Amino acid sequence: EVQLVESGGGLVQPGGSLRLSCAASGFTFSAYALIWARQAPGKGLEWLSGISGIGDSAYYGGSVKGRFTISRDNSKDTLYLHMNSLRAEDTAVYFCARGIAAALVSTDWFDLWGQGTLVTVSS
Amino acid sequence: QSVLTQPPSVSGAPGQRVTISCTGSSSNIGAGYDVHWYRQLPGRAPQLLIYTYSIRPSGVPDRISASKSGPSASLAIAGLQAEDEADYYCQSYDANLRGWIFGGGTTLTVL
Repeated sequence: EVQLVESGGGLVQPGGSLRLSCAASGFTFSAYALIWARQAPGKGLEWLSGISGIGDSAYYGGSVKGRFTISRDNSKDTLYLHMNSLRAEDTAVYFCARGIAAALVSTDWFDLWGQGTLVTVSS
Repeated sequence: QSVLTQPPSVSGAPGQRVTISCTGSSSNIGAGYDVHWYRQLPGRAPQLLIYTYSIRPSGVPDRISASKSGPSASLAIAGLQAEDEADYYCQSYDANLRGWIFGGGTTLTVL
């Protein structure tokens, strides 16, 4: 089955760190760029970060640049999001999603999404 | 506040046609960047509905369509059904932000 499954969410204190994972199956992992997006409670979607298929290019949105790091391990078919200096406003469901090719370009859309993992930042 | 502006909610009776607008600016839709649409059922992941302005992936019925005019795009759903109740998001790219952007989302209610 073609799918993405996120994990690693949970409760973390402000200023803390967390690593999210996104395990892929059913497709050639390295052939696709991937992104992370999030959805705060009752809010809309926000793109956070993207990475190319071979991991040589990474992109970040302004709200997470310098705090979050995207990476991937193509030998394990897994995408990661390393999150540092977490704030209350980072509380959200975090989704990974697949681009349409190995390179991430401006015209891309995202055709496969995981179910999300909840991150709660609170003391 | 989202860079792409959508109405918070729209509604229609079964069988009717509704449209959802997505208004951008000269740095995103107005600059010619593609617009894509997603549907999200409560508690579920987003699902691709339309890509590159008006192309439907396989499995999406032809009563769902989309268009673009200037710095705006719109999604139309004809023959409303109860199963269409969901949140709908537009997505594009912004040259100033150098990143992919989503609209704030529109909740469709079938009366």
